Amino acid sequence: DSGVTQTPKHLITATGQRVTLRCSPRSGDLSVYWYQQSLDQGLQFLIQYYNGEERAKGNILERFSAQQFPDLHSELNLSSLELGDSALYFCASSAGNPGELFFGEGSRLTVL
Amino acid sequence: KNEVEQSPQNLTAQEGEFITINCSYSVGISALHWLQQHPGGGIVSLFMLSSGKKKHGRLIATINIQEKHSSLHITASHPRDSAVYICAVRSVSNFGNEKLTFGTGTRLTIIP
Repeated sequence: DSGVTQTPKHLITATGQRVTLRCSPRSGDLSVYWYQQSLDQGLQFLIQYYNGEERAKGNILERFSAQQFPDLHSELNLSSLELGDSALYFCASSAGNPGELFFGEGSRLTVL
Repeated sequence: KNEVEQSPQNLTAQEGEFITINCSYSVGISALHWLQQHPGGGIVSLFMLSSGKKKHGRLIATINIQEKHSSLHITASHPRDSAVYICAVRSVSNFGNEKLTFGTGTRLTIIP
């Protein structure tokens, strides 16, 4: 158990819809990272937050947004969903920046 | 050319064999991560390196910053080591922020 909790574990929705994925980092970790893993593109870094502020941005689409709340949990919002957004979305946390990464079990999103 | 290249893509070996997985990268980095992903999808961070060598149990990771190369070694391999091993490098993007770039992974299968 990494100490990082992601919900929901599985989510099935339709094109055009909006979903929110939630991540609770390990106790005390200030950094939260979001990654997308699809079959054709492997793991892709989306975005990082550090103590509530956006720290780094990767290949995140404009339809996606994220935030980190004062209690350090983070949410990834995916809107106007397309079939190609079907993927595993991982959250990871670390104490430092950079630091050892601790991954959640992922949220599997299926867009039909 | 990908910024992070792993080899081999697939590796099958007998139990007990010494395993080496290689990672080459083309950018300046601040750190390199080795990750393990089991068939269920969960990701575990094995090592974070910025120089030299680290050892944890039967796993050894080395990095040569000048040659932009890292290796992950597994001694006395066991069927439970069967997983996908992913190399990821932390670097500064063209926009000045930090990003994590992943290799495509090495699928390791250890036969009893």
